[in-house]
Amino acid sequence: NAGVTQTPKFQVLKTGQSMTLQCAQDMNHEYMSWYRQDPGMGLRLIHYSVGAGITDQGEVPNGYNVSRSTTEDFPLRLLSAAPSQTSVYFCASRGLIGLSSYNEQFFGPGTRLTVL
Amino acid sequence: ELKVEQNPLFLSMQEGKNYTIYCNYSTTSDRLYWYRQDPGKSLESLFVLLSNGAVKQEGRLMASLDTKARLSTLHITAAVHDLSATYFCAVVNAGNNRKLIWGLGTSLAVNP
Repeated sequence: NAGVTQTPKFQVLKTGQSMTLQCAQDMNHEYMSWYRQDPGMGLRLIHYSVGAGITDQGEVPNGYNVSRSTTEDFPLRLLSAAPSQTSVYFCASRGLIGLSSYNEQFFGPGTRLTVL
Repeated sequence: ELKVEQNPLFLSMQEGKNYTIYCNYSTTSDRLYWYRQDPGKSLESLFVLLSNGAVKQEGRLMASLDTKARLSTLHITAAVHDLSATYFCAVVNAGNNRKLIWGLGTSLAVNP
C-alpha cells in the first residue's frame, strides 16, 4: 500500500493564481481531510469528507474548495491564492467503521506552498 | 465545544531524564491519539487509546488515558536525543462527524 500520497511536494504561486493540491489514498478509508499547519497554530482543519459525494467545512474553509467523487481521491483547490495561504498542507485519511487499526489516521507527506 | 489542551508547549530536557506531557480535553470522547512530528516532516501515529485505563508503551514512550479525568499523559523515560520532536494529541469529537480536535503540540528538545 502506498498509504496517503500528495502532490506536489512544493509549490510557489503568485497572488491570484489558482491551483489544485492532489491527495489520494489506497486504504479504502471513508474519512479524508485537509489541514494546514502554520507555526504556533497547530493543525487547522480546512475541509473534510466522510465518504464519496459528501464534503463539509472545517475551521478555516475560506478560499478553498474540495470535492470527493471517488473514495480514493480528495483534491483541494485554491481559488485565488493569497499570501495568507502560505502554509504546509497535509491530507489525511482514516476508516470510520469497525476497529480496523483502531481507526488510526494516516497523513500524507505534505505540500509546502508559498504565495508571493 | 470540544477543546484539547496540551502542556507544556515547549520542553527542554536532558538526556537520561524522565518527563510527562499532558493532554486535557473538555468533553467526552471515545478515542485519543498521540502523534509525533519531526521538523519538516509529516505526522506519524504513535498511539491510539480507546478506553479508560488504557496504557500503551513503545520503547521509551508510554501513553495512558483516564477518561473520567479527561486526561491523557505521554511519559518519556530516560530521554535520548532521537526523541526530539513535536508531539501532538488529538481527540475524536464523537458528536460532530467524528472530527479530530488537536492540541497545539509539545515541542520537545532533548539535550546531551
